[in-house]
Amino acid sequence: AQSVTQLGSHVSVSEGALVLLRCNYSSSVPPYLFWYVQYPNQGLQLLLKYTSAATLVKGINGFEAEFKKSETSFHLTKPSAHMSDAAEYFCAVSGNTGFQKLVFGTGTRLLVSP
Amino acid sequence: ETGVTQTPRHLVMGMTNKKSLKCEQHLGHNAMYWYKQSAKKPLELMFVYSLEERVENNSVPSRFSPECPNSSHLFLHLHTLQPEDSALYLCASSLANRGGEKLFFGSGTQLSVL
Repeated sequence: AQSVTQLGSHVSVSEGALVLLRCNYSSSVPPYLFWYVQYPNQGLQLLLKYTSAATLVKGINGFEAEFKKSETSFHLTKPSAHMSDAAEYFCAVSGNTGFQKLVFGTGTRLLVSP
Repeated sequence: ETGVTQTPRHLVMGMTNKKSLKCEQHLGHNAMYWYKQSAKKPLELMFVYSLEERVENNSVPSRFSPECPNSSHLFLHLHTLQPEDSALYLCASSLANRGGEKLFFGSGTQLSVL
């Protein structure tokens, strides 16, 4: 079984500051890990995913995440926040066998102030 | 625009009504999903269809009835709902129903049950 914990329901940063959104996972099999973003009144869009090819994964809009097996973490970072990054971010996990069954975290709302 | 279209965007219904949610994708995907998004809760997987066959029913009450007439269309038929069923219902599709696949989400139907 898989599960995901996102620490912090809200994260506030200033424009230009580092963005760090935390995600810890639990999985009984080697996992696939994802970050999705949801802008207001829209569905979720894939930011990036980890599929064991490389531990540092680069995604769209300047975001990246690092898979750390020893810490069971997959934190999302961006060096410099932009106002347009304000959205809700979801971490998700699925197993690498069988059919696709994504398990999502509760989400972290990123607020960016000028 | 993700290529997944959901209608209606908003729906208000009484507990005795019958309504249907529609999802359409023309991405050539073979798997389609219904998710429920409630405030402060993780996204909940409801149903999974692979090649028009239901492969997952995640303990969803029978007042929700899915239908997948072909690989491009997915419906969620609703009847005798409860106020706690009010939520954002998201449809998604993926190329195949296997771990690691990217999901493409629609913008959702915001359902209010009075």
